[in-house]
Amino acid sequence: ELKVEQNPLFLSMQEGKNYTIYCNYSTTSDRLYWYRQDPGKSLESLFVLLSNGAVKQEGRLMASLDTKARLSTLHITAAVHDLSATYFCAACMNYGGSQGNLIFGKGTKLSVKP
Amino acid sequence: DAGITQSPRYKITETGRQVTLMCHQTWSHSYMFWYRQDLGHGLRLIYYSAAADITDKGEVPDGYVVSRSKTENFPLTLESATRSQTSVYFCASSPGPWHYEQYFGPGTRLTVT
Repeated sequence: ELKVEQNPLFLSMQEGKNYTIYCNYSTTSDRLYWYRQDPGKSLESLFVLLSNGAVKQEGRLMASLDTKARLSTLHITAAVHDLSATYFCAACMNYGGSQGNLIFGKGTKLSVKP
Repeated sequence: DAGITQSPRYKITETGRQVTLMCHQTWSHSYMFWYRQDLGHGLRLIYYSAAADITDKGEVPDGYVVSRSKTENFPLTLESATRSQTSVYFCASSPGPWHYEQYFGPGTRLTVT
């Protein structure tokens, strides 16, 4: 059974600081997704990581995937208040002959303070 | 408007009643999904559909029914609502299978009293 664990679940940062959110998954998954959710809003796709060693960057966010370690990271550089949101990672559980399910982590609630 | 929409956005119903949540997308995406979001659980997949008339169970399908007679619509029905089904429900669509990006609707907040 695929399990996805994120840590930390809550993160309070100061503006200008760097930090990393970790996403561990328990069984083989060849793709990893990162989403952002603002309070009361829907999910916005940030990154789709499709292979071992994949690295993607958008603005102050950079995501990477290590399939051997079953670990993805979301690195935040020089945080700004606008990055305050909840961030979810999701891994894909592959069934034989099926498309599989996306299994989400519980989310990391990020608060960036001045 | 183009995109993915859900209706209603908010719904309060009583235990035992049947409720249908609607999802409509204008991209002609073949894949559509229903998730529920609960505090402490993240998002969990209820049902998904690979094409019209093709649906399959996700992680938490009990108590829900889906249909997909047209590519653009994917309604979710709670046949006899229970308090444990109080949640925020998100519909999503994707142009392809799981390695493709999924686009989420605005969500429906359902309260079962």
